[in-house]
Amino acid sequence: GQQLNQSPQSMFIQEGEDVSMNCTSSSIFNTWLWYKQDPGEGPVLLIALYKAGELTSNGRLTAQFGITRKDSFLNISASIPSDVGIYFCAGRWSTNAGKSTFGDGTTLTVKP
Amino acid sequence: NAGVTQTPKFQVLKTGQSMTLQCAQDMNHNSMYWYRQDPGMGLRLIYYSASEGTTDKGEVPNGYNVSRLNKREFSLRLESAAPSQTSVYFCASMAGLGNIQYFGAGTRLSVL
Repeated sequence: GQQLNQSPQSMFIQEGEDVSMNCTSSSIFNTWLWYKQDPGEGPVLLIALYKAGELTSNGRLTAQFGITRKDSFLNISASIPSDVGIYFCAGRWSTNAGKSTFGDGTTLTVKP
Repeated sequence: NAGVTQTPKFQVLKTGQSMTLQCAQDMNHNSMYWYRQDPGMGLRLIYYSASEGTTDKGEVPNGYNVSRLNKREFSLRLESAAPSQTSVYFCASMAGLGNIQYFGAGTRLSVL
């Protein structure tokens, strides 16, 4: 089946630093999604990307849909303590009943 | 506006016991999904229902059954629980193809 490789697995950074994480796939998608999961909660969508090459921002977050359609990255600028959590990428075909394939997540720790 | 509601939040079962995890959404969404999340891993799709009256297997359906009771409710049943089914289970719903999935807060299940 499809597999997503998400890296890094974990990050420990100082408040104010920028963060970058990425996701690569063995197959192509026409939608890339980035979620954040807080402890004890379900994932919450941060950014959705629908077109190869698309660059989308949501506040301090920026994500890009790779031109090969097999990768995506997420950047967080000027990190703050509330950015702590697990970040997941997910790939999807919009015509495939909405089924998403998830990466294993990047655990982010921000030191004040 | 509750969104996606899952019950129970926690459950401990003995091997061989059965139980049903409940999920309800109040957003009039067509599609609903059940995922499991194991430690250090992303979400894996168990079953999904693209619309009321239909259900289909996802990536890891063995040992589970589902019922799309009506448009609001989608239940997941474990007929004979096994320790390998110890996990956090998430339900999600989506309005239609290409739209955003909304997740519940999860059910934490331990099978002893």
